[in-house]
Amino acid sequence: EPEVTQTPSHQVTQMGQEVILRCVPISNHLYFYWYRQILGQKVEFLVSFYNNEISEKSEIFDDQFSVERPDGSNFTLKIRSTKLEDSAMYFCASSSGQGTTEQFFGPGTRLTVL
Amino acid sequence: AQSVTQLGSHVSVSEGALVLLRCNYSSSVPPYLFWYVQYPNQGLQLLLKYTSAATLVKGINGFEAEFKKSETSFHLTKPSAHMSDAAEYFCAVSEANAGNMLTFGGGTRLMVKP
Repeated sequence: EPEVTQTPSHQVTQMGQEVILRCVPISNHLYFYWYRQILGQKVEFLVSFYNNEISEKSEIFDDQFSVERPDGSNFTLKIRSTKLEDSAMYFCASSSGQGTTEQFFGPGTRLTVL
Repeated sequence: AQSVTQLGSHVSVSEGALVLLRCNYSSSVPPYLFWYVQYPNQGLQLLLKYTSAATLVKGINGFEAEFKKSETSFHLTKPSAHMSDAAEYFCAVSEANAGNMLTFGGGTRLMVKP
């Protein structure tokens, strides 16, 4: 069964460093998403991506963040100059359509900023 | 703006007992509603969704949920809990005019006692 994969499963970085979180969505999906969950808090939407551009983003997704689909299979989230408060579980998701179409989630990358 | 409240961050039931996980939503337009389950070290998996068709929705693993517009609720139930149902459950909402963004509740951790 097709699934969304994410690497690494756990990333530890020093404050101020840049990190890239990687995701491989399901191959025939067209819509891609990043969500994050700070420990003990809700899962929060960050950004959605379609047709090689951002279609929606939340207030959290500021200039520190960027997304890219560099090669037609990977979908990446870059976080520049990481802060302690960026520590969270980051989930990638993909879907074949909009609205009620199911979003398939990856297992997440746990980012720890020291 | 849309929002979701899940009453009870932890719910404990005995094996064989009724499972009831509560979800209330706020939405300015008719919503789409979802329940996701997360098992340890895995991504979020869709249990069921409400898309404005039948108000009683059946999902995987014997779960169902009823959309009640008058109560702005979408509670998740299962007649008889199994040990394998122990997991975290998330209710989520999206709006037809808000793209694909999912807004999640805080989650409910279900524990099943033998």
